Amino acid sequence: GAVVSQHPSRVICKSGTSVKIECRSLDFQATTMFWYRQFPKQSLMLMATSNEGSKATYEQGVEKDKFLINHASLTLSTLTVTSAHPEDSSFYICSAVGVYGYTFGSGTRLTVV
Amino acid sequence: GESVGLHLPTLSVQEGDNSIINCAYSNSASDYFIWYKQESGKGPQFIIDIRSNMDKRQGQRVTVLLNKTVKHLSLQIAATQPGDSAVYFCAENPPPNKLIFGAGTRLAVHP
Repeated sequence: GAVVSQHPSRVICKSGTSVKIECRSLDFQATTMFWYRQFPKQSLMLMATSNEGSKATYEQGVEKDKFLINHASLTLSTLTVTSAHPEDSSFYICSAVGVYGYTFGSGTRLTVV
Repeated sequence: GESVGLHLPTLSVQEGDNSIINCAYSNSASDYFIWYKQESGKGPQFIIDIRSNMDKRQGQRVTVLLNKTVKHLSLQIAATQPGDSAVYFCAENPPPNKLIFGAGTRLAVHP
């Protein structure tokens, strides 16, 4: 079956620093990956759609210069939270789209202190 | 980001009862729908899907109903078990190939 590896699962960083989150499709190629953010007791909010070899498409209200997305290969997309602040603390989840449909990573808990 | 609502209602059921979880979706152009189960601290887990050319689909212990007229989905879980306790989300697939999640419902199963 389809497996998406998301790393790290948890990260604590200091305010003002940047954090990179990786999303890898292990056994299939993903031309499209989605990045979501989820606050406690809320739904998954789509942040951006990442297509291999092209610029990501960001949802309204999501700052593209703050949340940098790179989809350099068919198996890897990265989300970099730049100059992180406490309000960026959240659960970030990726989803890779391939022959198995939509497959989700296990999420990254980001805490900015 | 895009989402359908930010509330998280709770459905409490007794073990062995049937559960019905409802969801309203927003985009009439969506042609594919998925139900997910999410446990605390984990990513969403696929339960069942349905395409817009169908109004019902059954899986093992689960059934999804789709009413396109009123843009409504429901997930029925038969003989609910404690392991079914989680948050359930519907997701819709509007053009151009996004996947948008609904508000979610927490299912609490009591022995």
